[in-house]
Amino acid sequence: NAGVTQTPKFQVLKTGQSMTLQCAQDMNHNSMYWYRQDPGMGLRLIYYSASEGTTDKGEVPNGYNVSRLNKREFSLRLESAAPSQTSVYFCASIGITGQYFGPGTRLLVL
Amino acid sequence: AQSVTQLDSQVPVFEEAPVELRCNYSSSVSVYLFWYVQYPNQGLQLLLKYLSGSTLVKGINGFEAEFNKSQTSFHLRKPSVHISDTAEYFCAVSLSRGGTSYGKLTFGQGTILTVHP
Repeated sequence: NAGVTQTPKFQVLKTGQSMTLQCAQDMNHNSMYWYRQDPGMGLRLIYYSASEGTTDKGEVPNGYNVSRLNKREFSLRLESAAPSQTSVYFCASIGITGQYFGPGTRLLVL
Repeated sequence: AQSVTQLDSQVPVFEEAPVELRCNYSSSVSVYLFWYVQYPNQGLQLLLKYLSGSTLVKGINGFEAEFNKSQTSFHLRKPSVHISDTAEYFCAVSLSRGGTSYGKLTFGQGTILTVHP
């Protein structure tokens, strides 16, 4: 039981490049979330998926897209990366015992 | 919409001293309340949560928090801290849905606790 896993752990992009952050959970949770963490701002919700086949915008969705591939996987895509997207990205899933977070992806956009 | 304010961005304290990290929230509806800890270069770990019932909630690593509905606060306390408690702490709320399911979390800005020897 690995919980919530994220790949990659680190990534450096140039402005305008695209990439997909991968997230998977093995706890059979319905709800999954993408947050970004910036210094002094806590974590802010980007997108979430309440169940397989559904996605909704969170607080800061601009510049991102998501795909709920199946119940296990929830990916976050940056189509054209910008320096303002330099951040640490966390994926999370929710079950009856609480919300579980992945280890994070550290993204630097030059 | 709900919001969370952590009143201190940094809290320095000596080892074995008590500590309180303050959290106030704003919401027009009932909420669930959480405290998370983040050690350097790691993800978030749940310390404790308040869903209903007793307003004093005990969590892992000797931490506890008290829900005060009239003051809309959920302060985190530990009577004696260790060097290993050095980390960033986040207060968070979600809308109360009843039962044990939780919705989207709204986080505070975080409090960096530094424990000095």
